Amino acid sequence: DSGVTQTPKHLITATGQRVTLRCSPRSGDLSVYWYQQSLDQGLQFLIQYYNGEERAKGNILERFSAQQFPDLHSELNLSSLELGDSALYFCASSPGQGASHNEQFFGPGTRLTVL
Amino acid sequence: DAKTTQPPSMDCAEGRAANLPCNHSTISGNEYVYWYRQIHSQGPQYIIHGLKNNETNEMASLIITEDRKSSTLILPHATLRDTAVYYCIVRVGGTSYGKLTFGQGTILTVHP
Repeated sequence: DSGVTQTPKHLITATGQRVTLRCSPRSGDLSVYWYQQSLDQGLQFLIQYYNGEERAKGNILERFSAQQFPDLHSELNLSSLELGDSALYFCASSPGQGASHNEQFFGPGTRLTVL
Repeated sequence: DAKTTQPPSMDCAEGRAANLPCNHSTISGNEYVYWYRQIHSQGPQYIIHGLKNNETNEMASLIITEDRKSSTLILPHATLRDTAVYYCIVRVGGTSYGKLTFGQGTILTVHP
């Protein structure tokens, strides 16, 4: 158990819909990262937040957005869903700035299926 | 971040050492070598990291060549539960901009 929790575990929805994935980082971790894992693209970094502020962006679509709240939990919002958005979405957390290295602790993931 | 090259798959007998190689010939002086693994669609798990010295922890050992252009992750006594995809990642350490760039990794299969 990494200490990172993600809800829901599974999500099945239809094209065009909007969903919200939730992540609670390990206690004390200030950085939250979102990754997408699909069969054809592998594990890809989407976005990072540090203490409520966006810090880095990867290959995140404009239809996707994220935020980190004052209690440090994070949400990833996916809208206008397409079949190709079906994937595993992982959240990870790390201590953040000042850490001697950047070990990331990953949650169990949310499996999104778009029909 | 430097690009890494790993064999797509490897086999190992249970109880034997598993040696997973990684080439990172374009690594920069301030880049660390990290290893993560992913067991069957679970979240990736941190294993070990190093800069230039060899490192050992309770999970594995990391051997980095003197020129730092390659490294080997060693699982000293592989078990069936070590069957996973192993990712070698090279990136700058000690920064808050911490994205990990995952390649295809090595699928390690441990046989009874």
